[in-house]
Parts: sequence; structure tokens; C-alpha cells
Amino acid sequence: DVKVTQSSRYLVKRTGEKVFLECVQDMDHENMFWYRQDPGLGLRLIYFSYDVKMKEKGDIPEGYSVSREKKERFSLILESASTNQTSMYLCASSPPLTDTQYFGPGTRLTVL
Amino acid sequence: AQSVSQHNHHVILSEAASLELGCNYSYGGTVNLFWYVQYPGQHLQLLLKYFSGDPLVKGIKGFEAEFIKSKFSFNLRKPSVQWSDTAEYFCPDNYGQNFVFGPGTRLSVLP
Repeated sequence: DVKVTQSSRYLVKRTGEKVFLECVQDMDHENMFWYRQDPGLGLRLIYFSYDVKMKEKGDIPEGYSVSREKKERFSLILESASTNQTSMYLCASSPPLTDTQYFGPGTRLTVL
Repeated sequence: AQSVSQHNHHVILSEAASLELGCNYSYGGTVNLFWYVQYPGQHLQLLLKYFSGDPLVKGIKGFEAEFIKSKFSFNLRKPSVQWSDTAEYFCPDNYGQNFVFGPGTRLSVLP
């Protein structure tokens, strides 16, 4: 079974802090994705990566950055956390081409 | 390019009722269609998918979906729902290697 793990299930940070969310997948997938999920809005794509060292902006990249130094790890960085970044953050991975995305359990981030 | 839409936002059913959730697409070539489910407190997971072949696709937990090309539909069905089917259901759009997840459909099954 594909396993996608995220570093924390729950996280509480203060406004202005730098926040790191880690995601690791164990299936040697090329593609990795970061979404945020908010009630009534579904999932919105923040950043994605099709290969190591490669990153592309999704639909809502403002206030976020990412890092992919190794194939199995994709990190989401909130440079200066703000209250409107309080959300559920989901990481996913997939093999190349249009195929199933496998999701991690999510990190519920609260910014105070 | 393919574009997909769901038209139910919140569905409330009693146990043993039959379920059909709508998913319509605008055909633009090769279709790749998916249904995902997110149970309360759990991660998003694949329910079923269709790429080609038999248009009737069976997924986990008794769910199925039928690709009807003439109706541009890929509706999700289950003949008899259970309380444990209470969840959010998503029929994502996809372009290239990316998915677009809309608000989904919230299914509430009353015991």
C-alpha cells in the first residue's frame, strides 16, 4: 500500500512564525502536491512538483513556498504565518501521467 | 480539455436508501474519471476510477459508477447506504497530471 505521511496531525502557531509542514511518500512517486482544504471550498492546490528540485505554483501559492530536495519528501513552508492560513493541509503523491493521487492524513494548522 | 462538475452539495438519506451522486463532464478527448471519499476525520482516498474499458466500474465498499458517454456523466451509485457512508464525496476534474477538487458532496446518512 502507498503510504503518505505528514509530520503533524495538529499544529498551533502564532502569527509571524515560520512554519514547516513535512510530507513523505514511500512509493517512489514522481509527483507530489500540497493542498489546503477549507469548508465549502473543497481542496485548493498550493504547489506541486513533478520531480526533485522542481516546483510549480498551483492556484493559491501566495504566502507559501516549497522544497523538494529528495524524491520522497515535499515540504511546505509558511514564511510568516497569518491567521488566514488556518486550515487543513493535505499532501498527495502520484506516479507520472494522469493517475491516482494518494493522500496523507492532513495537518490541521491553527494560526493564533 | 476535460471539465467536470458535481451538482449535489448536501444529500441526506436514511439507511437502506439508494444513492446516486451526480458528476458531469464535458468531453474533450481521453477521459480519466475518479471518485474520492473522505470519511470524517480520515484522509481522502480513492473510491473508484475509470480510464477505459468496461464503463461500469466497481469500487470499494459496494460503490459503483457508470461512465455514460452519451450523457457525459459518471454518477456514483450505491443500492443501499449505511450510516458509515456518511462522508464527503469528490469527483475531481483533472488536467494534465493535476486534479481540481471542488467543494464535493456531503452525504449524511441517518440511522
